Amino acid sequence: GDSVTQMEGPVTLSEEAFLTINCTYTATGYPSLFWYVQYPGEGLQLLLKATKADDKGSNKGFEATYRKETTSFHLEKGSVQVSDSAVYFCALSDRSTDKLIFGTGTRLQVFP
Amino acid sequence: DGGITQSPKYLFRKEGQNVTLSCEQNLNHDAMYWYRQDPGQGLRLIYYSQIVNDFQKGDIAEGYSVSREKKESFPLTVTSAQKNPTAFYLCASSWGETQYFGPGTRLLVL
Repeated sequence: GDSVTQMEGPVTLSEEAFLTINCTYTATGYPSLFWYVQYPGEGLQLLLKATKADDKGSNKGFEATYRKETTSFHLEKGSVQVSDSAVYFCALSDRSTDKLIFGTGTRLQVFP
Repeated sequence: DGGITQSPKYLFRKEGQNVTLSCEQNLNHDAMYWYRQDPGQGLRLIYYSQIVNDFQKGDIAEGYSVSREKKESFPLTVTSAQKNPTAFYLCASSWGETQYFGPGTRLLVL
């Protein structure tokens, strides 16, 4: 079945460092891809999404490109802030049911 | 403001007790979902409903029940048959494939 694999955390960075969180997927069709962010004790917030190959989703300085050839959707940010510390989830949608399949999440810790 | 509300924020369950978690949305979304989140793990789908008066089991439905009598509401009951209910429960709704989440309810067992 469809699945999402994320790099294990925690990812620990200093403020203003470059961030990459890897995400790869396995899917039989052409799913949409999502990144969600979860701050401590809160629900998930949609960060960005891409619906087809070569699309780039972007929001709040984060971006990710839908790479069909490598089945990847890596999250990047050029300069992280302490306030970016959270857990990041990669997900794909099953277009026939609109169900989301999530990765296990990657915790990001940014220190001043 | 449009959004998804969940209550309560914290809920305590005694052994053998059923408890109900509330989820309400005013986004006019047709579909609603319940997920369970355990520490260090991703989200697992419990139940989902794509339309009023209809719902389907997700990946871990055993020990849970739901109803969908109104478009705005999708309550989840954790029954005494669920032997390990301690978790963070998240409700979501969607129109199309993008899901929007509530703030969550943390369920603890006394």
